[in-house]
Amino acid sequence: LAKTTQPISMDSYEGQEVNITCSHNNIATNDYITWYQQFPSQGPRFIIQGYKTKVTNEVASLFIPADRKSSTLSLPRVSLSDTAVYYCLVGDRGNTGFQKLVFGTGTRLLVSP
Amino acid sequence: GAGVSQSPSNKVTEKGKDVELRCDPISGHTALYWYRQSLGQGLEFLIYFQGNSAPDKSGLPSDRFSAERTGGSVSTLTIQRTQQEDSAVYLCASSPGPRDSPNYGYTFGSGTRLTVV
Repeated sequence: LAKTTQPISMDSYEGQEVNITCSHNNIATNDYITWYQQFPSQGPRFIIQGYKTKVTNEVASLFIPADRKSSTLSLPRVSLSDTAVYYCLVGDRGNTGFQKLVFGTGTRLLVSP
Repeated sequence: GAGVSQSPSNKVTEKGKDVELRCDPISGHTALYWYRQSLGQGLEFLIYFQGNSAPDKSGLPSDRFSAERTGGSVSTLTIQRTQQEDSAVYLCASSPGPRDSPNYGYTFGSGTRLTVV
């Protein structure tokens, strides 16, 4: 499984756009990129997943360049409630469609008023 | 059910005792995973079940750890002769299935906080 590298922590203010970049230089052809959010005392929550180019949902956008060696999670206009740990993961869905996710230490985002 | 349910939510046990942690995945989810998270740390993969296939046990830290999944639904993680280093939050997750599923993410439970004293 590809190893990921992301900043340990980031600070932002309410209303700003936050971009968290993840490096995955050894990503394989079959690997997908997935981001999770975790609040204290809760399990991680799926945010977004992509393979290439750009993916957008109601929560975030995911930008993946052509070489797929990195990805950027973009959170528009963050609020205090976006303070959490964000995990970037890459993994192969496998022949049966499942992927064994390996979590790194994540990026701790702190949003201040 | 509406989400992944884990029980108990908290468990305090004495060193050397056995514990059982339970996970009820989302109905219809064929894949089930166990992770462990120590205080302030990332998630450590333990084991995953995939339909009727043999489970991937590659993440289990020792032979004191075992897990079962009965009838393709409920799973139990058992830790024998608990040690203080087993103290952590044990998280269960389930996943819906086919690669063309529009929502491919895992759904996690709230975890069981295990404290070994």
